[in-house]
Amino acid sequence: KQEVTQIPAALSVPEGENLVLNCSFTDSAIYNLQWFRQDPGKGLTSLLLIQSSQREQTSGRLNASLDKSSGRSTLYIAASQPGDSATYLCAVRSGNTGKLIFGQGTTLQVKP
Amino acid sequence: AAGVIQSPRHLIKEKRETATLKCYPIPRHDTVYWYQQGPGQDPQFLISFYEKMQSDKGSIPDRFSAQQFSDYHSELNMSSLELGDSALYFCASSLVLGHSYEAFFGQGTRLTVV
Repeated sequence: KQEVTQIPAALSVPEGENLVLNCSFTDSAIYNLQWFRQDPGKGLTSLLLIQSSQREQTSGRLNASLDKSSGRSTLYIAASQPGDSATYLCAVRSGNTGKLIFGQGTTLQVKP
Repeated sequence: AAGVIQSPRHLIKEKRETATLKCYPIPRHDTVYWYQQGPGQDPQFLISFYEKMQSDKGSIPDRFSAQQFSDYHSELNMSSLELGDSALYFCASSLVLGHSYEAFFGQGTRLTVV
């Protein structure tokens, strides 16, 4: 059974810092991996999608990497801003039905 | 660009009542998923539909049922509501064609059972 773990559970950094969020999964036979952002009580915003054949994806200040063989993904946020404060969720897709298995998320606070 | 639309956004029901949540996927998306997110929890997969047929089933209680209609919108029906059903319910849609499977989520329906 696929299990997804995110470390750390919470992170507080001063504005301007570069930071890394970690995601690990137990079954390396994944289809792809998706990173989401969730503001309190709100919906999930897709940030990056990495297919199993890819090593990384970039969007603006965000860079996500995938090491399928070791069951790990990282989300790198450059030059963090207070507006980046949110919960970041990692989710893996195994099998061909498309359902996502989520990690518990990392709650990020960026202080001005 | 059109996004996934969910209605209602908020719903308050009493125990043992019935609730119906609606989801309108992104146009031309062929797959709809339902997830439940309890307070402080990660989203848990409930059920999915591909081309109006159930494609996968997760930890969905027998009191819940769902279907996808000919216009691709989906409804999640929840009966005999319990206090523990209070949660955010998300619908997501994706396009299987090309095997991208990138999921786009709606804003969710917050269900409160009192």
